[in-house]
Amino acid sequence: DQQVKQNSPSLSVQEGRISILNCDYTNSMFDYFLWYKKYPAEGPTFLISISSIKDKNEDGRFTVFLNKSAKHLSLHIVPSQPGDSAVYFCAASPKTSYDKVIFGPGTSLSVIP
Amino acid sequence: KAGVTQTPRYLIKTRGQQVTLSCSPISGHRSVSWYQQTPGQGLQFLFEYFSETQRNKGNFPGRFSGRQFSNSRSEMNVSTLELGDSALYLCASSFMGIEQPQHFGDGTRLSIL
Repeated sequence: DQQVKQNSPSLSVQEGRISILNCDYTNSMFDYFLWYKKYPAEGPTFLISISSIKDKNEDGRFTVFLNKSAKHLSLHIVPSQPGDSAVYFCAASPKTSYDKVIFGPGTSLSVIP
Repeated sequence: KAGVTQTPRYLIKTRGQQVTLSCSPISGHRSVSWYQQTPGQGLQFLFEYFSETQRNKGNFPGRFSGRQFSNSRSEMNVSTLELGDSALYLCASSFMGIEQPQHFGDGTRLSIL
């Protein structure tokens, strides 16, 4: 049973528009959430994170929103650029075990020039 | 600062063989985690080592094992390889394991024939 879900395997967006990637989780013990980006033949790289005490965190073009009651978070990329084309993984850490991160299956984003 | 280094980058084995993968963490990092990535499954947590001790373990059979050396370098071993073990194996390091984010290597692509 997947504790972290990314129900859209892929997403296509026009350059300059907003990309919205969604993530749902089932475990209410999750306390800390992260987004990683992965290019082919490379390891994932950290993008942005959010703690459960906040509902929004922003870093440049990237904003993560957290809705704890719905157990849902989303990553917004504005404006989208072709270099953003990659697989995006949502990840969550439980309060009691930060060293055991649970990853979602990923969403492949294609930004069309 | 050198990143996480995984060797080899690519490996081809046949069923029944065994394989050893290596991971050198970022200098000073004491926590090393291993993940298996397969299409549609995202990153599945294998195990985490800290100061030469296995601290966490995921839901993988005993054929998957690992160890960590005093210099924090880690190895992962898979015995009696099966076709389903074909995957990208990623290693990630962090200073203590409890802080985020982790820093990933580029992975070892293992193909089983």
